[in-house]
Amino acid sequence: GENVEQHPSTLSVQEGDSAVIKCTYSDSASNYFPWYKQELGKRPQLIIDIRSNVGEKKDQRIAVTLNKTAKHFSLHITETQPEDSAVYFCAASERAGGYNKLIFGAGTRLAVHP
Amino acid sequence: EPEVTQTPSHQVTQMGQEVILRCVPISNHLYFYWYRQILGQKVEFLVSFYNNEISEKSEIFDDQFSVERPDGSNFTLKIRSTKLEDSAMYFCASSGPGTRYEQYFGPGTRLTVT
Repeated sequence: GENVEQHPSTLSVQEGDSAVIKCTYSDSASNYFPWYKQELGKRPQLIIDIRSNVGEKKDQRIAVTLNKTAKHFSLHITETQPEDSAVYFCAASERAGGYNKLIFGAGTRLAVHP
Repeated sequence: EPEVTQTPSHQVTQMGQEVILRCVPISNHLYFYWYRQILGQKVEFLVSFYNNEISEKSEIFDDQFSVERPDGSNFTLKIRSTKLEDSAMYFCASSGPGTRYEQYFGPGTRLTVT
C-alpha cells in the first residue's frame, strides 16, 4: 500500500522567512496530494492541494510543487507569520470511484518566532 | 461555511464497553470517512463509506468496529468492546460529489479508554 514520508519533523524559522516541507510517496498510482494544517487540539484543516496533472499550485503565501517522476511533493510557505505555527501534514491518495483514502505523513511541527 | 460536526467532544469509557461516536457530515457530501490519531502521531485511515456501504477499510478496522448511516444526516462509528489501545482522537471527514476531491474534517472526538 501507499506510504508517505515527511521531512523535517520539526522546523523553526524567524518571522518573515520561508519554510519548506517535503514529502515522498511510494505508490505511483496516487493522484491527489493535499496538505493539512493542525493547530493544537483542533481539526486538520485543508490548506492547499494538488492533483497529479499539475506541477505547481499557489495560493497567496503558500504553494505546493509536485514531481511525479521522483514521487515527491513539497509545501512552501513564504513570509511566515507567528500564526503559521502549527503541525502540517501531507497526504497522498489514489482517487478511485469517487472516494479517496488519505494516507498521511508523520507531520512537521512548524514554529515561527517573532 | 458548512462544517463537519462531531459529538461528543470527549468520551471516557471503561475497557470492554461499547461506544458510539457520532458525526454529521456536510449536507451535500456523499463520501464519509473515519480516521484516528493517537496522541502525537499521524492521522490514520480507518474506513470509507459511500452509498450505505463500506468502500474500503484499513487493517485497524477489525470486527470490533462498525459504521452506520442511520438516517440522512448522521454517520456513526461503533466500537463494540473497547481496548486501552483504542484511546485516540477520532476524526470524521466527508467529501463532495462529482469531481470534488477535498476532504473536510470534523473537530474530533477524544476517546479515553480506562
